[in-house]
This record gives sequence, structure tokens and C-alpha cells, in this order.
Amino acid sequence: QVQLVQSGAEVEKPGAPVKVSCKASGYTFTSYAMHWVRQAPGQRLEWMGWVNAGGDDTKYSQKFQDRVTITRDTSATTVYLELRSLRSEDTAVYYCVRDIQGGAFDLWGQGTMVTVSS
Amino acid sequence: DLQMTQSPSSLSASVGDRVTITCRASQGISSYLAWYQQKPGKVPKLLIYAASTLQSGVPSRFSGSGSGTDFTLTISSLQPEDVATYYCQKYNGAPITFGQGTRLEIK
Repeated sequence: QVQLVQSGAEVEKPGAPVKVSCKASGYTFTSYAMHWVRQAPGQRLEWMGWVNAGGDDTKYSQKFQDRVTITRDTSATTVYLELRSLRSEDTAVYYCVRDIQGGAFDLWGQGTMVTVSS
Repeated sequence: DLQMTQSPSSLSASVGDRVTITCRASQGISSYLAWYQQKPGKVPKLLIYAASTLQSGVPSRFSGSGSGTDFTLTISSLQPEDVATYYCQKYNGAPITFGQGTRLEIK
């Protein structure tokens, strides 16, 4: 079954880092770039960044440039999002997504809720 | 950054109606435009990519058109299961950006 399965919900304090994982299965992992998209409560979808199919190139939204790292582990067919220096405004559902055609997202993880609260 | 603006922000229509949602880019994006459907409490679903290509498994009542700066998503005959928020997305390079969403309800 083609799917992306993300790690569970996280509750973090302001200033802490969080790392979310996304395990891919059912397709050739190394054939697709992967992105992370987040959605704060009641807000629009927001793109955070991208790692290419080979894992040797990344690109991030300027908004998160200094705080985010996206990596992938081919042997584990898993993609990771690390977001540092968390703020209350980072409270959101975080999605990993598979890229077709250079930026359309045909497969979504189930989402990981990250809550930032003191 | 390039902005994506959808209209209307919300819409109420009757079952069987033809529904059109518009998305405008602040600069030309060729056909690098996708549409997503997000039902309440659910994960977004890809409907259309490359402005007019229907994603596999999506009902044929959904269609997309446009290029450059102006795009539309059309539902030819609204069904109860189409209640959702619809987002457009541009992907002609970083940053990828989404519209603010159009909430569609049944009248």
C-alpha cells in the first residue's frame, strides 16, 4: 500500500526543537522529492521546504530558513523535519508530501500535530 | 513573493449546481497550478495539476482551466460529498504558495 506514515503528536516548550518523521512505503522512495507543509489552526496551507529525490539538495522557505532542516534516509525510506527555536506560532499540523511534476503533491502523510506551549 | 488569491472565500450552492472557484496569481506562473480539496478534519487531496490535468481517481465533474495568472476550478454538478475547502497552489519554483482557500457548502 502506497502511504506516508508520520510520527505522533508532540508538545514542546517555546525555544525547544522538534523532529518529525515520515516513513514511506509501497513505492520507490528514491524516485520522488519530498516536501513538508504545515497548517496552523484555521489557516491556509504553508510550504516549508523540500528535499530532492537523491537527498543531496534541499530548499527552504525564507520564513523558516534559519530554523529548519529537512533530511531523508534512503535505507529507512524516511524523511525528517527538524524545526528549532519553537514559538507559539509554530503550533500547527505538519504534513509530509510526495512531489509529482515538480511541486504538485499527490500523496500526503496523516499529519503530525505539534503544540508549542509553556 | 508571488501571491495567490482565491475568490470567493466562501460559497453556498445547491446539489446539482455548476460551481466555479477562481485563483489569481500576482505574476504569471504558466500552468504550474494545482487544486486541492480538504474535507473537514481530513488531509488535503490533489484534484488537478498542471492547471487542467485531472489526478487519477478524481471524479470527472471536477475540471481546471487557465494559464498565466488566471485559473478556475469547476465542479459541473455539485454533490453533497463535495463539501470542503478548496485550495489553489502555485509550484513554478520556490517558494511554493497556496491560496487562502474557498469554503464550499451545500445550500
